[in-house]
Order: sequence, then structure tokens, then C-alpha cells
Amino acid sequence: SYVLTQPPSVSVAPGQTARITCGGNNIGSKSVHWYQQKPGQAPVLVVYDDSDRPSGIPERFSGSNSGNTATLTISRVEAGDEADYYCQVWDSSSDHYVFGTGTKVTVL
Amino acid sequence: QVQLVQSGAEVKKPGASVKVSCKASGYTFTSYGISWVRQAPGQGLEWMGWISAYNGNTNYAQKLQGRVTMTTDTSTSTAYMELRSLRSDDTAVYYCARVADIVASGASFDYWGQGTLVTVSS
Repeated sequence: SYVLTQPPSVSVAPGQTARITCGGNNIGSKSVHWYQQKPGQAPVLVVYDDSDRPSGIPERFSGSNSGNTATLTISRVEAGDEADYYCQVWDSSSDHYVFGTGTKVTVL
Repeated sequence: QVQLVQSGAEVKKPGASVKVSCKASGYTFTSYGISWVRQAPGQGLEWMGWISAYNGNTNYAQKLQGRVTMTTDTSTSTAYMELRSLRSDDTAVYYCARVADIVASGASFDYWGQGTLVTVSS
């Protein structure tokens, strides 16, 4: 089955840039979605189809995808960005959705 | 506005079944799919399956095949997820999410329900 690997944690100072990676075999050929989940809340879609943002999501959130790594970038990080972030793809070989292992972003 | 409202928390004994509902509003129910995702305490997100609200087609995670059934009632814009033969490791928060397509093609989950805690304990 298809596996998506994320770093368990990323720490960043306010105002700096956080980059969260999502590794998978030839992930660049797939569409990647990213979700933000704050404690006790349901996930929220922050980036879809590699780099598109839903309405209401700040431009500070951006995505890219190439080769074996997709990346979610959070610019000018704020305290409110502290959350768990998950990547997701559709694995056409199994017709299953797959979630990444998740990354906890801590704002110092 | 789009809303997905799920049924309340459940406590079940091992071997029992649970059925969680997800009532949709604010959009044309039959123009989208619904996926179910669960999250065990302190763990990550696990995709359980998908159902097209357009024609009822389903696609279940291999791990849950034979124990899970997803259905929809288009007259009430409600999706259901039933999980049978419950075990302690089924204890989790269960979420429904709208899939931005009527076919299982990899579209994102653009709206989520609030989650339903299912506890399996003897």
C-alpha cells in the first residue's frame, strides 16, 4: 500500500516560515491535499490539488509538489497556526485515500 | 452555509455494532460524496471509506472490508456509517467529510462534521 511520510514535529518562531514535507513514491504524479487540525477540533482543508487554497484560507499557506516530496509552506507564522498538519493523496492502484503520518507544528 | 452534523457519542461493548449519522445541509446532497475518517486517541487520521450520494457506490478501506457499511438517505440528506463486531481498538473519534466529487477520484475533503466519539469497552 502507498505510504506517506511526514516529520513528527516542526518548530518555528513567530514571523518565520514553516515547511512541512510529505514524502511518497513519485508523489509528484498525484494531487496532494493538506489539512490542519487543532486540538479537539475537526480537520480543516488548507490546500488542495497541490497548491490551491480554499476560500477563507490565508495566502500565507501555500503548497508545492514534485518528485518524491510535497511541501506545505506556512509564511509569517502566527501563534494560531500551531496545530497538527496532515497530507493526503488518492492512491489509484488501490482506489484508496491515504493520509500522511501527521506533523505537529509548534510556534516557539 | 455547508454543515455536516453528526450524531452523539456512543459507548459499546466488544462485539456490538454502532451506526453513526451525518446530516448534511447547505448544498445539494446528491452532487457530492461522503467519506468517513476515524482518529484513535492520540493518533493520526485513518480513511475508512467513501460513498457517492449520487448513486450509492461505495469504496471501503481494505482493513475494514466486511465490517463496515456506508449508506445514504437522500430524502433527509443524511449519510450513515455502521461498524460491526466492534473491538477495543475501534475506539476513536469518527468524522464524516464532504468529498468534492460524486466519483472516487481523489478530490479533497472540503467540509467535515464535528466528530463522534465511539468508545468500545467491556
